[in-house]
Amino acid sequence: GAGVSQSPRYKVAKRGQDVALRCDPISGHVSLFWYQQALGQGPEFLTYFQNEAQLDKSGLPSDRFFAERPEGSVSTLKIQRTQQEDSAVYLCASSSKRRLAGGQIYEQYFGPGTRLTVT
Amino acid sequence: GQQLNQSPQSMFIQEGEDVSMNCTSSSIFNTWLWYKQDPGEGPVLLIALYKAGELTSNGRLTAQFGITRKDSFLNISASIPSDVGIYFCAGPGFNAGGTSYGKLTFGQGTILTVHP
Repeated sequence: GAGVSQSPRYKVAKRGQDVALRCDPISGHVSLFWYQQALGQGPEFLTYFQNEAQLDKSGLPSDRFFAERPEGSVSTLKIQRTQQEDSAVYLCASSSKRRLAGGQIYEQYFGPGTRLTVT
Repeated sequence: GQQLNQSPQSMFIQEGEDVSMNCTSSSIFNTWLWYKQDPGEGPVLLIALYKAGELTSNGRLTAQFGITRKDSFLNISASIPSDVGIYFCAGPGFNAGGTSYGKLTFGQGTILTVHP
């Protein structure tokens, strides 16, 4: 399909383990976003890439969270030394627009998410 | 930061009924979006609004961008069972310096249940 894909769909980690979550955006989309969604809440912004450049990481909750997009396509969100409070669904979204003109950069297309459970 | 408040938090309706939900903001927005999320899936964009007063339809869905720029409404007409899900409003989130790269701020969602 042509949509955003994420893997794995489900991940169970023991507290203290490192995890890596992958996002494949829609081909050609320059903008890529990561969001965290706690149970019963709306998604919350984590970080943003324009091509390979990470332009905004203000939403990353701690220095245990790290994201990269080295070639401007696939992105990986890494969480080191996972804690129970990291349990959530991690959503990736992409957009074809790089600028705010017309507001279309906000038309983001989401993947199915990775549900992370830390035990 | 920006806060979006959605109401109602949940709705239980009969198939065929019309539905109305709204979203209010603590600050002015220049864009409003409505998303629907099914269990185990990511949010799907339903409608995007870019101008105050704008009224936009997508099939049985109609959304309006409030004149004050601090609210938006979503209506669903003649609901059907597949309308079940969580509806989120979203708008631009800004950094402390006032810049935005397109990140979204979401409301807490309205859970819709449709009884056949």
